[in-house]
Amino acid sequence: SQWGEENLQALSIQEGEDVTMNCSYKTYTTVVHWYRQDSGRGPALIILIRSNEREKRSGRLRATLDTSSQSSSLSITAAQCEDTAVYFCATDPSSSFSKLVFGQGTSLSVVP
Amino acid sequence: ETAVFQTPNYHVTQVGNEVSFNCKQTLGHDTMYWYKQDSKKLLKIMFSYNNKQLIVNETVPRRFSPQSSDKAHLNLRIKSVEPEDSAVYLCASRNWGGAYEQYFGPGTRLTVL
Repeated sequence: SQWGEENLQALSIQEGEDVTMNCSYKTYTTVVHWYRQDSGRGPALIILIRSNEREKRSGRLRATLDTSSQSSSLSITAAQCEDTAVYFCATDPSSSFSKLVFGQGTSLSVVP
Repeated sequence: ETAVFQTPNYHVTQVGNEVSFNCKQTLGHDTMYWYKQDSKKLLKIMFSYNNKQLIVNETVPRRFSPQSSDKAHLNLRIKSVEPEDSAVYLCASRNWGGAYEQYFGPGTRLTVL
């Protein structure tokens, strides 16, 4: 598999806390996508980091990429209840933009 | 605002029946995808079409067949469904050679009894 683990991970945190989700991948990629999926909806891109970037920020989101260890992380600062969702990382191992290979996902629950 | 539309939202059927799912995108994209999402939320690519041409065909059972009438539509037919076909089927689109982002529809949930 493209990814180290195939099981959905679950995290539960309090509102206002920071959280970091990690992904590792096995095949070279030029970009790592991070998607979030709300209940009953399709995934939506929230941040994208290219192989020549080590860090990318968007609002309360921060993505990192370490190409030497083939790993990426997504951090959310001061999480809010509306951040509750499933978060996925994804790569295009063929670098041909023909498909995305998704990681196992992290189910994040932010409680008041 | 939704720009990738899927019908039906959900479908319940018996083993051995045939089902068809529809997908339409209004984004003007030229590449469309079908993904399968299992009960553990794992997403896997099934097919990819670029300008009505099949470009990715992952290892899926032969009872699955995609159908593209034009670059805005990509349907999925399953002949003789099996219990393991129970899943959410997600359609997505993007512009080949353009931005990396894929836009997903809300999915069709299939339950096979």
